[in-house]
Amino acid sequence: AQKITQTQPGMFVQEKEAVTLDCTYDTSDPSYGLFWYKQPSSGEMIFLIYQGSYDQQNATEGRYSLNFQKARKSANLVISASQLGDSAMYFCAMREEETSGSRLTFGEGTQLTVNP
Amino acid sequence: EAQVTQNPRYLITVTGKKLTVTCSQNMNHEYMSWYRQDPGLGLRQIYYSMNVEVTDKGDVPEGYKVSRKEKRNFPLILESPSPNQTSLYFCASSWTGFQPQHFGDGTRLSIL
Repeated sequence: AQKITQTQPGMFVQEKEAVTLDCTYDTSDPSYGLFWYKQPSSGEMIFLIYQGSYDQQNATEGRYSLNFQKARKSANLVISASQLGDSAMYFCAMREEETSGSRLTFGEGTQLTVNP
Repeated sequence: EAQVTQNPRYLITVTGKKLTVTCSQNMNHEYMSWYRQDPGLGLRQIYYSMNVEVTDKGDVPEGYKVSRKEKRNFPLILESPSPNQTSLYFCASSWTGFQPQHFGDGTRLSIL
């Protein structure tokens, strides 16, 4: 079974609007961490936001927030006020502390296009 | 400047010719890792290292070797490269496995 599922291969959003990128995960490990990375067309991987399984509040970093719904095993990334520079591939990733040690598993990614 | 440096950035080579991709970080991070990125598959972890002389397999270790003799360096070795190892490779590091990782700029390998 896929540990990380990103069901949206591509998403389009109008500049200045908000957009939600979906991520669901599968784990029985009580302790895990969820990460979102951005990969622009230039290829580098940029860390955006992190959510720990025991964190009581949803993570936020500037225009990025993580809608963490533990019971539903989802960790959706919300980008507010989209900018043209947000056009990129976005990856969700998970690390399970007990099950896989320090291994990090990535989803297949979502290609976001911001239209002017 | 904090960075992860990979070399080479691009390499075209032939089947069976041993190659090494170097990775060096200047942040004194304990955790280092190698990934390959293929279209439609996202990033898959090849090997990781928790500290000097401590390495472990990721999801796709076959055909690769690594070593961690010094904290800053984590080379990826392809002893006998094959065409199915043509891919984009990333090295990454962090303080621990739970911390966000800093990625290198990537190495694009083509095995003919």
